[in-house]
Amino acid sequence: AQSVTQLDSQVPVFEEAPVELRCNYSSSVSVYLFWYVQYPNQGLQLLLKYLSGSTLVKGINGFEAEFNKSQTSFHLRKPSVHISDTAEYFCAVSDRAGGFKTIFGAGTRLFVKA
Amino acid sequence: EPEVTQTPSHQVTQMGQEVILRCVPISNHLYFYWYRQILGQKVEFLVSFYNNEISEKSEIFDDQFSVERPDGSNFTLKIRSTKLEDSAMYFCASIALTANTEAFFGQGTRLTVV
Repeated sequence: AQSVTQLDSQVPVFEEAPVELRCNYSSSVSVYLFWYVQYPNQGLQLLLKYLSGSTLVKGINGFEAEFNKSQTSFHLRKPSVHISDTAEYFCAVSDRAGGFKTIFGAGTRLFVKA
Repeated sequence: EPEVTQTPSHQVTQMGQEVILRCVPISNHLYFYWYRQILGQKVEFLVSFYNNEISEKSEIFDDQFSVERPDGSNFTLKIRSTKLEDSAMYFCASIALTANTEAFFGQGTRLTVV
């Protein structure tokens, strides 16, 4: 069965500093991996996705993530964060065996301080 | 760009009342899903729907829930007798199942049961 573990519930960071939000997953077959951002009282916005091909994927707002199959990880990174990046970030996985339903992690609250 | 549309954006209902949440998936998509996010918690899978029938449902999706695709465009989630704990954001998603297996999420319906 699929599962997603986001290792940090909260990540405080100063503006313009780099950040990494960690995500590990478990799945028995080839997976598709996603990061979503959710601002307060809003819906889910797709940041980036890994479906196949290059293991380094680039997304919107300067974010990128690297798929590491051997470590079953899909960590999200940004070299320099802005105040506006303060939000909840969800890692998610889906696969064919699971009927392509999306399984979400518990979320990481990124708090960018001035 | 095509998108998944959900209505209403916010619904307030009295406990014990029936509610119907509506979704218009992207037109050529074949798989449809409902998810729930209780305030401050992660997004949870409720049900998947394919070929006019439920393909999978979670333990959350009990007898008070039902889904329907009444015509060629709408996909609805009905809650027969709402409880306070049904208050949540409900997201609809759809997938094309072509080479791109990314789920497209609607902006959500915030259901408040009073």
